[in-house]
Amino acid sequence: QKEVEQNSGPLSVPEGAIASLNCTYSDRVSQSFFWYRQYSGKSPELIMSIYSNGDKEDGRFTAQLNKASQYVSLLIRDSQPSDSATYLCAVKKRDNYGQNFVFGPGTRLSVLP
Amino acid sequence: ETGVTQSPTHLIKTRGQQVTLRCSSQSGHNTVSWYQQALGQGPQFIFQYYREEENGRGNFPPRFSGLQFPNYSSELNVNALELDDSALYLCASNLKRERSYNEQFFGPGTRLTVL
Repeated sequence: QKEVEQNSGPLSVPEGAIASLNCTYSDRVSQSFFWYRQYSGKSPELIMSIYSNGDKEDGRFTAQLNKASQYVSLLIRDSQPSDSATYLCAVKKRDNYGQNFVFGPGTRLSVLP
Repeated sequence: ETGVTQSPTHLIKTRGQQVTLRCSSQSGHNTVSWYQQALGQGPQFIFQYYREEENGRGNFPPRFSGLQFPNYSSELNVNALELDDSALYLCASNLKRERSYNEQFFGPGTRLTVL
């Protein structure tokens, strides 16, 4: 089982719709979760972070965390063509030798005009 | 803009050569991590440096090594380059402190091609 899993997509949604991106993780003691957006040929850009169970909203973005189910999601409301990108889920883990972030493979989102 | 810079932007090397990639962290950030991102995959953690010492390492061989300097800059060195080392190399910095969630911010990356 991979540490962080995401559907690779592509996920296609029409402009104005809600895009729902999902991520599951295997390390139950993980405490911090992040969503990054990565445009083709560019580096990842942090868009949301969440640490507590429940929802966290920032503009058109809502992150949802359920630690019992080891599940984190990202909702994008009123999707725009400019949201077309790969969305990376990252989990911060703490092990015996420092801390590191584990990334999922990313979900490619395509918003159709 | 994240305040994290990397150089060079692109690099072409041949198999067996050595390469040094550079990163300048966001001012005040005491932790830097390096990642390798192959095409179509998520970033893979190489290692992390905190206060100039290695503070975590992923599943990469010893020919991947690094340094962090007091001025928040860092280097990733790769010896004996292999074709599979072709990837986007990302540097990310954050401020490690108590009760902090340690959000990481990435530089623009260095695209390494090994021929």
